[in-house]
Amino acid sequence: AQSVTQPDIHITVSEGASLELRCNYSYGATPYLFWYVQSPGQGLQLLLKYFSGDTLVQGIKGFEAEFKRSQSSFNLRKPSVHWSDAAEYFCAVGARTGANNLFFGTGTRLTVIP
Amino acid sequence: GAGVSQSPRYKVAKRGQDVALRCDPISGHVSLFWYQQALGQGPEFLTYFQNEAQLDKSGLPSDRFFAERPEGSVSTLKIQRTQQEDSAVYLCASSLGQGATWHDEQYFGPGTRLTVT
Repeated sequence: AQSVTQPDIHITVSEGASLELRCNYSYGATPYLFWYVQSPGQGLQLLLKYFSGDTLVQGIKGFEAEFKRSQSSFNLRKPSVHWSDAAEYFCAVGARTGANNLFFGTGTRLTVIP
Repeated sequence: GAGVSQSPRYKVAKRGQDVALRCDPISGHVSLFWYQQALGQGPEFLTYFQNEAQLDKSGLPSDRFFAERPEGSVSTLKIQRTQQEDSAVYLCASSLGQGATWHDEQYFGPGTRLTVT
């Protein structure tokens, strides 16, 4: 069965500092991996996705993520965080059969301090 | 352009009441998903429609939950005899494709926050 683990419930970084949010997955085949961001009162917005090919994926808002099969990880990174990046971040695995629904982690809340 | 909309945005129900939550997907989107997001958790899949056909309802937690999409556009999630454990944000998402490819992004609505007292 698919599962996603986000070990960090809450992370605080200073504005301008680099960021890395961790994501580990469990899936029996080649995974489809996603990162979503959720701001208060807003729907989930897709930051980036990995299907195949280059393991370093670029997304919107300056985010990138690297797929590491050997570590079953898909960590999200940003070199310089902006105050507007404060939000909840969710890593997700896509099911390859059936409904193609998403399996989400429990999320990491990012706080940015000036 | 218009995104996925959901109504109401907030709903307070007394235990035992029935509720109906509406989702208006992006026009022309074939696939529609419902997710439940409990406080402090990630969204969990409830059910999936391709046009008007409900192809997967494996995530519905009990027979008190029922979803429909009769004309292949607007969808309604109905919860009968609500319980406190039903309190959550209910998210709707739509995608253009017919569920066979992951290259069609799922677009999420803002959700309906249901509180059962």
